[in-house]
Amino acid sequence: QQPVQSPQAVILREGEDAVINCSSSKALYSVHWYRQKHGEAPVFLMILLKGGEQKGHEKISASFNEKKQQSSLYLTASQLSYSGTYFCGTEPEFTGTASKLTFGTGTRLQVTL
Amino acid sequence: DVKVTQSSRYLVKRTGEKVFLECVQDMDHENMFWYRQDPGLGLRLIYFSYDVKMKEKGDIPEGYSVSREKKERFSLILESASTNQTSMYLCASSITWTGIGYTFGSGTRLTVV
Repeated sequence: QQPVQSPQAVILREGEDAVINCSSSKALYSVHWYRQKHGEAPVFLMILLKGGEQKGHEKISASFNEKKQQSSLYLTASQLSYSGTYFCGTEPEFTGTASKLTFGTGTRLQVTL
Repeated sequence: DVKVTQSSRYLVKRTGEKVFLECVQDMDHENMFWYRQDPGLGLRLIYFSYDVKMKEKGDIPEGYSVSREKKERFSLILESASTNQTSMYLCASSITWTGIGYTFGSGTRLTVV
């Protein structure tokens, strides 16, 4: 079952903050976050592991609440380059082989001047 | 940089044709994946492979098969193309250690007429 992302879409002015949520009905081992710009491949942003710390780089960070099976992506002081569709990918268990991800339906983020 | 190359950016095929989508990665990744991406549905896993000649079904394998004869190459086969297989197909690769995200190819937009 796919994780649920919210909101489905958001429009920001440059400099504003946004939060994108990802919720799963299954216990999770890891959550990945990706950004896809129009016409391009999804690009890996970060991974959060069960028992791990909150991650972040530059003005994009994420948290992982294992008890609630939820992850949130935080974008602060948004820039035009942040525009795109954000996907979370969830891994319900560590198999020791491939990290098989189930992706959410995406959150479309548009940053305007 | 890891590169995942999909052989065709756009394909148009007729209903009933056998279609081959090719994917090659150049970084010795063990794991390779095929996803299809449709508006409002996100990315859905068709098949994945964690080793040469090894394959496992994803969430929507019906109507598809795969081949992995060499580590760097993962092929998706539509045995008899149908119009409901019109979609964007994304190939991805990863290494086994959970901590590194997927690298995606640029995608193949397949239209079945």
